[in-house]
Amino acid sequence: GDSVTQMEGPVTLSEEAFLTINCTYTATGYPSLFWYVQYPGEGLQLLLKATKADDKGSNKGFEATYRKETTSFHLEKGSVQVSDSAVYFCALSDLAGSEKLVFGKGTKLTVNP
Amino acid sequence: GAVVSQHPSWVICKSGTSVKIECRSLDFQATTMFWYRQFPKQSLMLMATSNEGSKATYEQGVEKDKFLINHASLTLSTLTVTSAHPEDSSFYICSAPHPGTGGYEQYFGPGTRLTVT
Repeated sequence: GDSVTQMEGPVTLSEEAFLTINCTYTATGYPSLFWYVQYPGEGLQLLLKATKADDKGSNKGFEATYRKETTSFHLEKGSVQVSDSAVYFCALSDLAGSEKLVFGKGTKLTVNP
Repeated sequence: GAVVSQHPSWVICKSGTSVKIECRSLDFQATTMFWYRQFPKQSLMLMATSNEGSKATYEQGVEKDKFLINHASLTLSTLTVTSAHPEDSSFYICSAPHPGTGGYEQYFGPGTRLTVT
């Protein structure tokens, strides 16, 4: 079945450091890929998405590129802020038109001032 | 932005009792909603798809008689954990795809923490 693997956390960085959270996937079809973020005490929010190979999703300084050849969708940000502290989930939606999501286990990020 | 609410945010119940959790889309209609379960330090596991006006679709391994889902209206889905046991203690989260995004963007509720004693 479909699956998403993302790097184990927690990740602790200093403010303005570079962030990478690795995500790889296994899917039978051509999935859409997502990054969701969960801030403390809040529900998950869509951070960015990419629906086909070589697409780059971006939002709030975060970026991720859909790499079909390596089945990856790594999340990056050049300079993190304290307010980026949250849990980040990589997810995929496999079937065309399906809204069902398969999630990775989540990576907790803590950014210290 | 679009909001999905859940009620209650946390609940403690005794073993053998039933608990109902509500999921509401506050400013959009949702013909489909999803229910997830999240264990500590683990990912969200899809339990079932709630369909307005029809029966829910359960994922493999999820007991439909234990986790009753009712999608009563276009803005409300409920999950009832029947005859709860301590192993049902978990964090339950619902989501609803926003129709204005082609279904790609899902809005998540803040979750309900269930503790069964």
